[in-house]
Amino acid sequence: DTAVSQTPKYLVTQMGNDKSIKCEQNLGHDTMYWYKQDSKKFLKIMFSYNNKELIINETVPNRFSPKSPDKAHLNLHINSLELGDSAVYFCASSPKMGTREETQYFGPGTRLLVL
Amino acid sequence: AQTVTQSQPEMSVQEAETVTLSCTYDTSESDYYLFWYKQPPSRQMILVIRQEAYKQQNATENRFSVNFQKAAKSFSLKISDSQLGDAAMYFCAYTNRDDKIIFGKGTRLHILP
Repeated sequence: DTAVSQTPKYLVTQMGNDKSIKCEQNLGHDTMYWYKQDSKKFLKIMFSYNNKELIINETVPNRFSPKSPDKAHLNLHINSLELGDSAVYFCASSPKMGTREETQYFGPGTRLLVL
Repeated sequence: AQTVTQSQPEMSVQEAETVTLSCTYDTSESDYYLFWYKQPPSRQMILVIRQEAYKQQNATENRFSVNFQKAAKSFSLKISDSQLGDAAMYFCAYTNRDDKIIFGKGTRLHILP
């Protein structure tokens, strides 16, 4: 069974379009994250939700909006896509805040290409 | 399957002293990346240092340096001249060419004034 899943795995779209990436975890974790990976494989955090509440909102364009319908899902919606949005986006989840069980489990990534 | 192990759940160091956080990993691949990330109480994830497996030279970033032993699959982080702002949870992470990402369980670092 996949612990953290993301769909789609690949996304190719035109500039100006609106797209969503879905993330689901079946681990029963409280916290979920969205990261953008840069060309050097760095993970830059974008958002974090704990039990459906936003706890981290880094400086990202407001074209990016996370949505958490329940604690097992954290979707990422992107409006008016730009060329610079092309990257690999990772979803992750972690069990508990404030304990050693904070390690994060990552999805397989969504490779977004904006043309 | 790849694994990342951080055997020290917590460590403490006196301010201005040096501390080393250990990390070992297991992989059958030869091409991969290793990272140390810092997670302060704000819960952001901050990149500390990055090492490419094909590079033999240990990465250094100001007061932070790594001891990368590829044959032993060891990737320890040394923090020199520890500062109060270094207090955080530190994660060792592995990424391969296919973007498989694995984090260790973390080491919570306390800085004693």
